[in-house]
Amino acid sequence: ETGVTQSPTHLIKTRGQQVTLRCSSQSGHNTVSWYQQALGQGPQFIFQYYREEENGRGNFPPRFSGLQFPNYSSELNVNALELDDSALYLCASSPAVEQETQYFGPGTRLLVL
Amino acid sequence: GDSVTQMEGPVTLSEEAFLTINCTYTATGYPSLFWYVQYPGEGLQLLLKATKADDKGSNKGFEATYRKETTSFHLEKGSVQVSDSAVYFCALSGGANSKLTFGKGITLSVRP
Repeated sequence: ETGVTQSPTHLIKTRGQQVTLRCSSQSGHNTVSWYQQALGQGPQFIFQYYREEENGRGNFPPRFSGLQFPNYSSELNVNALELDDSALYLCASSPAVEQETQYFGPGTRLLVL
Repeated sequence: GDSVTQMEGPVTLSEEAFLTINCTYTATGYPSLFWYVQYPGEGLQLLLKATKADDKGSNKGFEATYRKETTSFHLEKGSVQVSDSAVYFCALSGGANSKLTFGKGITLSVRP
């Protein structure tokens, strides 16, 4: 069984640019959640997708947006990057019957210069 | 809103020592509780969970009991190994979309 995968592993962008991060959910999981983990902090919930619809959002501005595809994979898009967006972005998937138990990918480390 | 408070770190122990990492929470309703572990340069791995009061989660020698009366979910292990060195996060899940709310994490270093 393949776990959650994310790409790319590392990314460097400059302020004002846009970035797209990708996530493939674990087999059989139809719910994907995204988290931002700043250095030395716990992950913060960005949003969740279920059946291609946004199913809840944390305290992040609209320039953070997402998509979920029919195969349950997902993208996180961030526009107008700011220095404070530098963080580890984590994707987690969960099965519909047990949404609260989330399985994380290795993350994408984004550095904004 | 929901919140999780973990004890301040870091924690350094000798191999085979007893480990306790404290975690308390504030939440409306009856959340599920989790411990996740993060090894250097990696994502989070689910260590254990408990979904209702008095449940005990256990895995790889680690245990935690859901204590509703004290709103706590302390992590324990009887004998730590060098390979247990990592960052440990306590988290809760509640609400309509089961989002996870994490504590700040605590770094555990185990020396030989």
